[in-house]
Amino acid sequence: AQKVTQAQTEISVVEKEDVTLDCVYETRDTTYYLFWYKQPPSGELVFLIRRNSFDEQNEISGRYSWNFQKSTSSFNFTITASQVVDSAVYFCALSDLPQTGANSKLTFGKGITLSVRP
Amino acid sequence: DGGITQSPKYLFRKEGQNVTLSCEQNLNHDAMYWYRQDPGQGLRLIYYSQIVNDFQKGDIAEGYSVSREKKESFPLTVTSAQKNPTAFYLCASSPWQGASEQFFGPGTRLTVL
Repeated sequence: AQKVTQAQTEISVVEKEDVTLDCVYETRDTTYYLFWYKQPPSGELVFLIRRNSFDEQNEISGRYSWNFQKSTSSFNFTITASQVVDSAVYFCALSDLPQTGANSKLTFGKGITLSVRP
Repeated sequence: DGGITQSPKYLFRKEGQNVTLSCEQNLNHDAMYWYRQDPGQGLRLIYYSQIVNDFQKGDIAEGYSVSREKKESFPLTVTSAQKNPTAFYLCASSPWQGASEQFFGPGTRLTVL
């Protein structure tokens, strides 16, 4: 069975601080995909990144960066110089590689509520 | 603009009534999904559909039903058999077979009184 653990439930920082959101996953599959989504107060989930299990290169996109470490089954997300607009719930998710012709299913963590204070 | 629409945003029903939540997408996606979100629980999969006229149960399908008569539409019915229906419901779709990212609608907040 697949499992995603986001041990941090709530994080509060002051604007311009860096913050790291942790994600640890469990899977028996050798090929899998990891995702991060952002859920602002409006409620709609916004896709941030997808990473497959064969690509352990870190990813940077503006103030966002992701650190994938297969050895520790972690896929952590760092926001540099946080802003008030970063306040949201952040979800880490895991999907298997589906059978041919099938769509995968996502297993979500419970989410981390990030509050960035001005 | 392309996207996923869910209506209504807020829905109130009396206990014992069935209620249907709408989900429409104009992204030409094959797969569609319904999730339930409760505070502190993350998202849990209710039903998903890979193609028209076909759907499968997710992790918490009891008390729910769906249909997929058109590619664009995947309505979810919350039946009176669902013991704790008050929650935030999210619909999603994905563009191709495989481990593609899912795109989400704005959600419907259902409150059963």
